[in-house]
Amino acid sequence: GAVVSQHPSRVICKSGTSVKIECRSLDFQATTMFWYRQFPKQSLMLMATSNEGSKATYEQGVEKDKFLINHASLTLSTLTVTSAHPEDSSFYICSARERGIQPQHFGDGTRLSIL
Amino acid sequence: QKEVEQDPGPLSVPEGAIVSLNCTYSNSAFQYFMWYRQYSRKGPELLMYTYSSGNKEDGRFTAQVDKSSKYISLFIRDSQPSDSATYLCAMSKTGANNLFFGTGTRLTVIP
Repeated sequence: GAVVSQHPSRVICKSGTSVKIECRSLDFQATTMFWYRQFPKQSLMLMATSNEGSKATYEQGVEKDKFLINHASLTLSTLTVTSAHPEDSSFYICSARERGIQPQHFGDGTRLSIL
Repeated sequence: QKEVEQDPGPLSVPEGAIVSLNCTYSNSAFQYFMWYRQYSRKGPELLMYTYSSGNKEDGRFTAQVDKSSKYISLFIRDSQPSDSATYLCAMSKTGANNLFFGTGTRLTVIP
């Protein structure tokens, strides 16, 4: 149980392109989803928290106009990196939590490379 | 000072050894403690989830939480090459969204 699917797993695109990443909870309803960024050999850095049907809460230093998050249903959240540039290249990971004190379950991440 | 400290390793052990992984933390408000395993180029996989102090066992894995010392541990018995991965500790305050992660310990189990 508690499977989170993230798609795509790998994206390579040109600078200026917008990229959408999907995060789905397959066997539970996720009241809260999280988006993280991970640099090589570093731990996960929380970017934003989204609750179904409401606006995402962004961490300090994360540009909300750059990283658009939509959590339209209890099983789907999307992260759109708008007008991506090489410095946005990173490993993006989503997680989902069923409710309250339940633990977060993570997707397998999306490796984004901007040329 | 980071809120969660974890030795990044790397740690290499022979197959069959007992592995001890540890984290310390500074914030006494943490109540929920987790261990995740992350293989290369994959997302973290939840291994253990504990609340407050005490021990929890699941197969070859045992998690310990000592809130008085602000210290948590993960023990792996009879370690296998397939256990080679990065192990992340994480913790959260009651009812809070945010997970505070350690930097991860990279473990290699040598056949």
